[in-house]
Amino acid sequence: GENVEQHPSTLSVQEGDSAVIKCTYSDSASNYFPWYKQELGKGPQLIIDIRSNVGEKKDQRIAVTLNKTAKHFSLHITETQPEDSAVYFCAASWGKLTFGGGTRVLVKP
Amino acid sequence: NAGVTQTPKFQVLKTGQSMTLQCAQDMNHEYMSWYRQDPGMGLRLIHYSVGAGITDQGEVPNGYNVSRSTTEDFPLRLLSAAPSQTSVYFCASSSSGPAYEQYFGPGTRLTVT
Repeated sequence: GENVEQHPSTLSVQEGDSAVIKCTYSDSASNYFPWYKQELGKGPQLIIDIRSNVGEKKDQRIAVTLNKTAKHFSLHITETQPEDSAVYFCAASWGKLTFGGGTRVLVKP
Repeated sequence: NAGVTQTPKFQVLKTGQSMTLQCAQDMNHEYMSWYRQDPGMGLRLIHYSVGAGITDQGEVPNGYNVSRSTTEDFPLRLLSAAPSQTSVYFCASSSSGPAYEQYFGPGTRLTVT
């Protein structure tokens, strides 16, 4: 089955700096790669996704890049703000979603 | 629109007890699923349903039962709770199917002693 590895497990950044989270996947058939944000005490919420026929997608301060040859994809958050502090999950999908282990992001004011 | 709702929010069980975690959605989504979240392991799929009357197993189904009698509701049953089932449980629904965007509920934190 699919295996998704996510790094780092924790990330501390200064407000205004950029944050990058990286994920690798094992199944080359995977064709959908979402990113979820989970705030304390809440369920995960989709923030951005990308499909395998697209290399990069942006939405305001967040962007996702996909390298299908290397089987890895990344989340980039620019100009980080305190409200970006949360746990972020990547996932890969071929039939069902398989999630990475999560990254706890702390933005220090 | 309440989205996906889950009850209870917290639950403590003794080993061997049974209980049902409730999940309901008001978005008329055909697909619903249950995940468990453990530290460092992300979310793992327990069971899912592609419509009323149709359920299937996910990655970690042992010790859990589900049924789907209506589009709105998808309860998760623990028949004989074990400490290994201590976790946070999330219900999710989707209009697109198991492989695409999921709308998650707020979760149920379960502790089995």
